Amino acid sequence: GAVVSQHPSRVICKSGTSVKIECRSLDFQATTMFWYRQFPKKSLMLMATSNEGSKATYEQGVEKDKFLINHASLTLSTLTVTSAHPEDSSFYICSARRPQEDTGELFFGEGSRLTVL
Amino acid sequence: GQNIDQPTEMTATEGAIVQINCTYQTSGFNGLFWYQQHAGEAPTFLSYNVLDGLEEKGRFSSFLSRSKGYSYLLLKELQMKDSASYLCAFMDSNYQLIWGAGTKLIIKP
Repeated sequence: GAVVSQHPSRVICKSGTSVKIECRSLDFQATTMFWYRQFPKKSLMLMATSNEGSKATYEQGVEKDKFLINHASLTLSTLTVTSAHPEDSSFYICSARRPQEDTGELFFGEGSRLTVL
Repeated sequence: GQNIDQPTEMTATEGAIVQINCTYQTSGFNGLFWYQQHAGEAPTFLSYNVLDGLEEKGRFSSFLSRSKGYSYLLLKELQMKDSASYLCAFMDSNYQLIWGAGTKLIIKP
């Protein structure tokens, strides 16, 4: 079964509104979660690394005031797209790694498809 | 610098074998991953290689040569459901994943 769950899977919103996406690790505590964005037919682009209890680390070119990340507990990280615009329409995916696991396997959430009208 | 490269698209026939290559350049290396991604879905883990050689897992095998900066994913007995994008990624010295652009595999009957 899924070990990382993401919600909602699809969201449509009006331009100017904010949208929150949740990412939960279901059977382990994730001190670190990763948020990706994926454009059609493109690879995953790391947006930020979410750290429990501290500020997220954003990749170059990603606006931290635009994409607010909160990692308030060891099983939950949220990404809020503020004042969304049509160009923010994309597939957003979170992932987490089991702590102390040698394979380094990343478990991905189901993804959230955001459409901004 | 760092870079990673894989073919954009490949086509194969149901029941056949296909090999998807991935080449990379990096000064620090902590393993290479292959993920499968169906359209509109999140990626799913296929394999992880950190040592040279071939790792076999059912119909899928993954190979790594660290000295050549080269990996391949081998898919046998292809099924229509194998039509997907296949992403390779290496983990650098900072344990960051550097992703390839993905190879779209089209399976024909």
